[in-house]
Amino acid sequence: DAGVIQSPRHEVTEMGQEVTLRCKPISGHDYLFWYRQTMMRGLELLIYFNNNVPIDDSGMPEDRFSAKMPNASFSTLKIQPSEPRDSAVYFCASSFTRQGLDGYTFGSGTRLTVV
Amino acid sequence: AQKITQTQPGMFVQEKEAVTLDCTYDTSDPSYGLFWYKQPSSGEMIFLIYQGSYDQQNATEGRYSLNFQKARKSANLVISASQLGDSAMYFCAIEGGSYIPTFGRGTSLIVHP
Repeated sequence: DAGVIQSPRHEVTEMGQEVTLRCKPISGHDYLFWYRQTMMRGLELLIYFNNNVPIDDSGMPEDRFSAKMPNASFSTLKIQPSEPRDSAVYFCASSFTRQGLDGYTFGSGTRLTVV
Repeated sequence: AQKITQTQPGMFVQEKEAVTLDCTYDTSDPSYGLFWYKQPSSGEMIFLIYQGSYDQQNATEGRYSLNFQKARKSANLVISASQLGDSAMYFCAIEGGSYIPTFGRGTSLIVHP
């Protein structure tokens, strides 16, 4: 398996623009997570899905952020409109179970810069 | 609520030496899991080791071992025989009954030749 695949690896956009981050989890993994990493706040869980259904989105910062998982092999995180404070590395991760006994498999991340 | 504290922002170790990275936690859940992840400069997060709160034995995975002291609420990572490729950020995380993991702020490890 190629692991969790995220695209793009880097994204630079202007304030106010819409940004869409993409994730393909490992086949067979029932759980998908979106995390955000910044120097100030560390690694934060934004939202997670179980069997394509959003379970907990309490970490989503505000209404500008939305996430979807239309099928088991694809998820998106959208920011509209983007702001400079959204600049961060966004990780997608997946796992077989909710209790990550085998850990979560993270993608390589998308480094987002909003100017 | 659950919390992870990693008090060492940076650690240095000589190649082939052992190093301990500290992690203390706080949780009200009776059952929980503790994890360590490695983040090299390339950015990806790599799962290293897991310890369940009811596990009697300390977890080991190759050169990694988790020194779990439940009464002290500590879950330190021990890396034996350090290698240059071990230079990275290391994150401790806890997952309680809500199954929402919380990560620490990380410790930077630099291995000197």
